[in-house]
Amino acid sequence: AQSVTQLGSHVSVSEGALVLLRCNYSSSVPPYLFWYVQYPNQGLQLLLKYTTGATLVKGINGFEAEFKKSETSFHLTKPSAHMSDAAEYFCAVRISSGSARQLTFGSGTQLTVLP
Amino acid sequence: SAVISQKPSRDICQRGTSLTIQCQVDSQVTMMFWYRQQPRQSLTLIATANQGSEATYESGFVIDKFPISRPNLTFSTLTVSNMSPEDSSIYLCSVLGDRGYTFGSGTRLTVV
Repeated sequence: AQSVTQLGSHVSVSEGALVLLRCNYSSSVPPYLFWYVQYPNQGLQLLLKYTTGATLVKGINGFEAEFKKSETSFHLTKPSAHMSDAAEYFCAVRISSGSARQLTFGSGTQLTVLP
Repeated sequence: SAVISQKPSRDICQRGTSLTIQCQVDSQVTMMFWYRQQPRQSLTLIATANQGSEATYESGFVIDKFPISRPNLTFSTLTVSNMSPEDSSIYLCSVLGDRGYTFGSGTRLTVV
């Protein structure tokens, strides 16, 4: 079975500072990895995903993540935080083979951006 | 990507009653999922809704409590039965289509 660990349930950064949200996964087979953002009272929006190919993945709103197999990590970064980035962020994993297609989510990281 | 209409968006229910949540998709999709998001927690998969057959439930969730229907490739319902305050949560429908996963906007359920 696969699992996801997000280190830090709350992260605060100043506007303009680097955003780093950590995600480590466990999977017995090569994973597909995802980052989602959830704004208050809204559904989940896909930021980016890794399936195969280039390990550095660029997403929407200036976010990117790098798949590091040796570290079993998929950390989310953004060079310069904006006030509008304040939200809940979820890392998710899915196995890349077999019939199971459901996502397994991490516990989430609440990002606060300080003026 | 697929567009999901999930209803109701929120409800306040009396304990002991049941609520049925509907998920309508604008295109045919093979896989549909139901998640629960408890206050300040992550999403937990309840079950995979299978078209034409019984849903596949995750550990800790049972059909008697969360019956699911999937009559066709564009529609599914989740019923929360015999509700208690512990069932207060956000329930989300999700689909896997040709362009990846899409999530409904959720149903915010409060049981009093």
